[in-house]
Amino acid sequence: AQTVTQSQPEMSVQEAETVTLSCTYDTSESDYYLFWYKQPPSRQMILVIRQEAYKQQNATENRFSVNFQKAAKSFSLKISDSQLGDAAMYFCAYRRGIRSNAGGTSYGKLTFGQGTILTVHP
Amino acid sequence: DSGVTQTPKHLITATGQRVTLRCSPRSGDLSVYWYQQSLDQGLQFLIQYYNGEERAKGNILERFSAQQFPDLHSELNLSSLELGDSALYFCASSVEMSGRARNEQFFGPGTRLTVL
Repeated sequence: AQTVTQSQPEMSVQEAETVTLSCTYDTSESDYYLFWYKQPPSRQMILVIRQEAYKQQNATENRFSVNFQKAAKSFSLKISDSQLGDAAMYFCAYRRGIRSNAGGTSYGKLTFGQGTILTVHP
Repeated sequence: DSGVTQTPKHLITATGQRVTLRCSPRSGDLSVYWYQQSLDQGLQFLIQYYNGEERAKGNILERFSAQQFPDLHSELNLSSLELGDSALYFCASSVEMSGRARNEQFFGPGTRLTVL
């Protein structure tokens, strides 16, 4: 079974500074996707960034970027120029790909890490 | 706004009761996922439906059941409720078509269930 681990229960950063949230995962599958979701106090789950495992290039979305280390099974999220609105719980998530060697028809479910609470100080 | 709707937003009920949570996926999305978020279990997958059929089951209790109707909306039924069932229940939808590599899941706002 796949597992996702976020070892930082809480992180804090000063406004305008950079912070990195860690995530490691364990899988034996060949095709998969990794995601970071943001959950602000409203509790809405918002997709921040995605990474396809077959792509070596790290994904970026504006101030958000990832450091994807496939061999190490590490998938960290870097938030640059942190803003007060970035304060939230962040979840790392894993999903099997369609071409996964595990077979079967269910590849869509997300497996989440425990989450990291990010505080942004003004 | 993700385009996924969930009703009700909040639900307060007593132990032993039965409730139904409703989810309407984004237009065109065939797949619906249900997730439970609780303090002790975190965010975990419960069940998936695709075009009306159950496709995958996760850590879903036998007291819980779900279905997806011909119009693709889904309902999650929770019965014989216990205090520990208090949680935030999310529905997510995706297109789930072969060849669509992204297949992003869009989450609804959730239903907060409180069992007293």
